[in-house]
Parts: sequence; C-alpha cells; structure tokens
Amino acid sequence: GAVVSQHPSRVICKSGTSVKIECRSLDFQATTMFWYRQFPKQSLMLMATSNEGSKATYEQGVEKDKFLINHASLTLSTLTVTSAHPEDSSFYICSARGAGESEEQYFGPGTRLTVT
Amino acid sequence: GQNIDQPTEMTATEGAIVQINCTYQTSGFNGLFWYQQHAGEAPTFLSYNVLDGLEEKGRFSSFLSRSKGYSYLLLKELQMKDSASYLCAALDSNYQLIWGAGTKLIIKP
Repeated sequence: GAVVSQHPSRVICKSGTSVKIECRSLDFQATTMFWYRQFPKQSLMLMATSNEGSKATYEQGVEKDKFLINHASLTLSTLTVTSAHPEDSSFYICSARGAGESEEQYFGPGTRLTVT
Repeated sequence: GQNIDQPTEMTATEGAIVQINCTYQTSGFNGLFWYQQHAGEAPTFLSYNVLDGLEEKGRFSSFLSRSKGYSYLLLKELQMKDSASYLCAALDSNYQLIWGAGTKLIIKP
C-alpha cells in the first residue's frame, strides 16, 4: 500500500515556542491531506483538510492562526503549532489521499507532541 | 446530525471469533471504512465497503447494509496481536470521513 511518513515522531518543546510537523506521501501524489489530533483514549479529531496549492479548510473550533497548514506540493504538507501551550500536547496524525474522493486515507505514523 | 455508534470495548478469547458492530447516520453516504489502531500508533486501513454485502479479506471480513445504516467487522481465529482499537468511519456526501469513537478489543489467552 501507499506510504506516508511523518517527522518528527516525538517532540518536546517549551511553552511559547513553535513546532513544525512534516507529512510526506512517499510513493503517490496526495491531492488531499488531512491533519488529525488524538487525545489519550479518544477518537481521531479532524483539525483541517488541505488541498495542494490552496488554503486549508479548518474544522470548527480549530484556530487557523495557531495551527498553520501548508500544502505546497503533492507530496508534502506541514503543520506548525505556533506559540504552543501544554494543552496542545497531543498525538498529531496526518493522512493523505489520492485523487479519488472515495479512496482510503493512508495515515502517517503520528507525532507525539509534549509541551512543557 | 451525523453520528457513528460502536461499542466502547469488547473482550474475546484467543482463537475465537468476534463481531464489532457499527451503525451510522450521515448526510449522504459514499462508503464505510474500518481501521485498526494499536495504542500509540496511527490507524491502518482494514476495509472499505460501499455496496451491500460481505467483503472477506483473510481473517477479517466486513459487512455493509446501506438500508439499515449498519456495518460490522468480523475477526476470525483471533490472535493476541489483534488487541487494538477498531475505528468505524463513514464517508458522507461531501466525501468527509465521519469517525466513530472506536471499539477497544481485548484478547484474552
């Protein structure tokens, strides 16, 4: 199946700093990429959907100025958590989908963010 | 509103069979996915159903009834490594995935 990588896998940062997470589709062109957040023992929460070359669509309640998403190419999307706070500590997972809207999403391995 | 219901937790015995049910209510429907997620890891794709019926893939099978808004994931010959959360997700009319909260499956020897 298709492979999606995510970097870094774990990051610890101090409160007030910014963290960038990269999501790459390694062997296919990802027309659409999704960013999720998952708190312990809870389901996935969609944060935003990004299409290559256009602005991301954020879900209700997600601050677009705090969670900056860039989808500059068909193989790379980045999520930047700006001015991170301890409550932003979570498991961030990206997924990528090809051109077909019914196609499955391929998930990256996730990034564990801890803000101290 | 849109809603996905699945049991929170299930327990089964190694070697046995378990069926995880999922009911959905969405604005339009373009298919149903099942994903497996081990603790601390990202979800991995198991199955996709868009037509009524049973899709078999090795030890795992997935069933869909569109008229009933119902799906199930059937796991046979359970192994300890099958202990994980199983996520049901429906694709709505906007091709947006609506996720269930997941069913934590515990396998006992």
